[in-house]
Amino acid sequence: TAGITQAPTSQILAAGRSMTLRCTQDMRHNAMYWYRQDLGLGLRLIHYSNTAGTTGKGEVPDGYSVSRANTDDFPLTLASAVPSQTSVYFCASSLAGGTHNEQFFGPGTRLTVL
Amino acid sequence: GQNIDQPTEMTATEGAIVQINCTYQTSGFNGLFWYQQHAGEAPTFLSYNVLDGLEEKGRFSSFLSRSKGYSYLLLKELQMKDSASYLCAPADSNYQLIWGAGTKLIIKP
Repeated sequence: TAGITQAPTSQILAAGRSMTLRCTQDMRHNAMYWYRQDLGLGLRLIHYSNTAGTTGKGEVPDGYSVSRANTDDFPLTLASAVPSQTSVYFCASSLAGGTHNEQFFGPGTRLTVL
Repeated sequence: GQNIDQPTEMTATEGAIVQINCTYQTSGFNGLFWYQQHAGEAPTFLSYNVLDGLEEKGRFSSFLSRSKGYSYLLLKELQMKDSASYLCAPADSNYQLIWGAGTKLIIKP
């Protein structure tokens, strides 16, 4: 079982360009999440989705958008990248949102915006 | 506001015991998670506490005191592979996890 996958593994992006980070899970989890992780800071929630067709804003949503067309996929789009979006991005999923269910994480995407 | 406080770095010796503390302030509380994260890898789940007391799981144990806003992770019989960051994450009233910056644990032979 693949679990949760992310693509690309890493990317260097010119400022002002757009990019979509992909996330797919095969665990039939209802809830999915996008976090960014920066040195010296805890994981920060960007957007989440408790079920297909719904999304919500996390702590740091500005500059990012998401969609949840089906259960398995939860892409994160940067419409016009800025250097402050340089970070490691983790996608995660859990059986259900709004519960104590543990979150399972993908391997991460390391993004550098120049 | 919401705040998580845990030591930035700790060093311990192989075979020893180490306790990683975490204090928290959140808007509401729905339990506390501990995750392990090896360098360059994704976080992986270690434990979840929602009631006061100690939960033991093999070499790892986790303790919670809700009245004190305090938790700790206890690692026994340390092995070199335990070198990693340990992330404390309480769940707020909406079950959103509030993540600490993590404690980097260095194990020396």
